[in-house]
Amino acid sequence: DAGVTQSPTHLIKTRGQQVTLRCSPKSGHDTVSWYQQALGQGPQFIFQYYEEEERQRGNFPDRFSGHQFPNYSSELNVNALLLGDSALYLCASRRGSSYEQYFGPGTRLTVT
Amino acid sequence: SQELEQSPQSLIVQEGKNLTINCTSSKTLYGLYWYKQKYGEGLIFLMMLQKGGEEKSHEKITAKLDEKKQQSSLHITASQPSHAGIYLCGAPPFSGSARQLTFGSGTQLTVLP
Repeated sequence: DAGVTQSPTHLIKTRGQQVTLRCSPKSGHDTVSWYQQALGQGPQFIFQYYEEEERQRGNFPDRFSGHQFPNYSSELNVNALLLGDSALYLCASRRGSSYEQYFGPGTRLTVT
Repeated sequence: SQELEQSPQSLIVQEGKNLTINCTSSKTLYGLYWYKQKYGEGLIFLMMLQKGGEEKSHEKITAKLDEKKQQSSLHITASQPSHAGIYLCGAPPFSGSARQLTFGSGTQLTVLP
């Protein structure tokens, strides 16, 4: 049973560019959340998707947007990249109202 | 907004020693998640505590939730090099929820062979 998968593993972008990160949830999971983890910090909640809609959103600007597809996979898009967007982006999935939430390995984004 | 403070920030122990990591919340805890993270990698789910006084164990790791103190502790017995990593606590916004988790900054554990 594959766990949560994310792609790409690493990414280097230039300031002002746009980036798309992808996440496939664990089999049987329908809810996907995205977190940003800066170096030396705990993850910070960006938003959560369920039934293809954004259900919860953390304190992140509109430059951060997402999408969930009918197969429950999800994308995180970040526009107009800033140096401060450099971080590990983590995707987490769970099934319905289950409290067990599983994280993927993350995508390391570097903005130069 | 809720804040979680973890202590200590880093810990170096000799293999075989016991250790405890604490997670203290600035607000009421409605549950507490513990995760382990290898540097730069994803989070591995360890356990989730839902009720005050609840205690759970997984292999040599035991976690307990003290609602009155708004605190959770993670105890490792007879530590091994495989226990090394960053331990993160996370709290949901209300009871029975796995919605947006607020995380602490983590405790970096090094186990010397």
